[in-house]
Amino acid sequence: QSVLTQPPSASGTPGQRVTISCSGSSSNIGINDVYWYKQLPGAAPKLLLFTNDQRPSGVPDRFSGPKSGTSASLAISGLRSEDEADYYCAAWDDTLTIMLFGGGTKLTVL
Amino acid sequence: QVQLQESGPGLVRPSETLSLTCTVSNGSISTHFWSWIRQPPGMGLEWIGHIYYTGSTNHSPSLKGRVTISVDTSKNQFSLKLNSVTAADTAVYYCARNRRGGGALDYWGQGTPVTVPS
Repeated sequence: QSVLTQPPSASGTPGQRVTISCSGSSSNIGINDVYWYKQLPGAAPKLLLFTNDQRPSGVPDRFSGPKSGTSASLAISGLRSEDEADYYCAAWDDTLTIMLFGGGTKLTVL
Repeated sequence: QVQLQESGPGLVRPSETLSLTCTVSNGSISTHFWSWIRQPPGMGLEWIGHIYYTGSTNHSPSLKGRVTISVDTSKNQFSLKLNSVTAADTAVYYCARNRRGGGALDYWGQGTPVTVPS
């Protein structure tokens, strides 16, 4: 069981705004950066968001990652079929001294 | 752009040592932290550990001291050794680069599947 908790699934229709939550604690999300990754079937994860909601080159601004206290969210606006994938949050944990990943959320575009 | 490629045997017998190497291309290994992550079949991502080019490492305590991560700057490679493997170590193993200044993994290898038969 992951220390970062994500819902196992989420869904939306094209054009909608979808959010995926990631719940942690004061030793990880509460004090450290949260990262978000997208993984397509059979492929390596790809970095979507990092420090202070920054996006690597090529990631559209439809993706954002607000954080509040010990929780974070991935928000996807203008949902598109190519957004269908597994999404993972991650954060360093100062107590465990490890990088934690959430259990992942499978996003379905209906 | 930076490219990472994992290499190593796809089948490891129980109780033996899993050995993987990650070769970094189009970039120097002497500028970042480098990580190993694994993903069991149908499951989520698990951080194994990371290393700096100086050799300074950190790894997951859950692997109970079975992990060794090393770096060879002359070959622009870093490596993972996991000893006393069991079927629970069956996974796709990824190597990745840590973005400067933080833990974000900005470049990943394609992953290599490793099977430990039960």
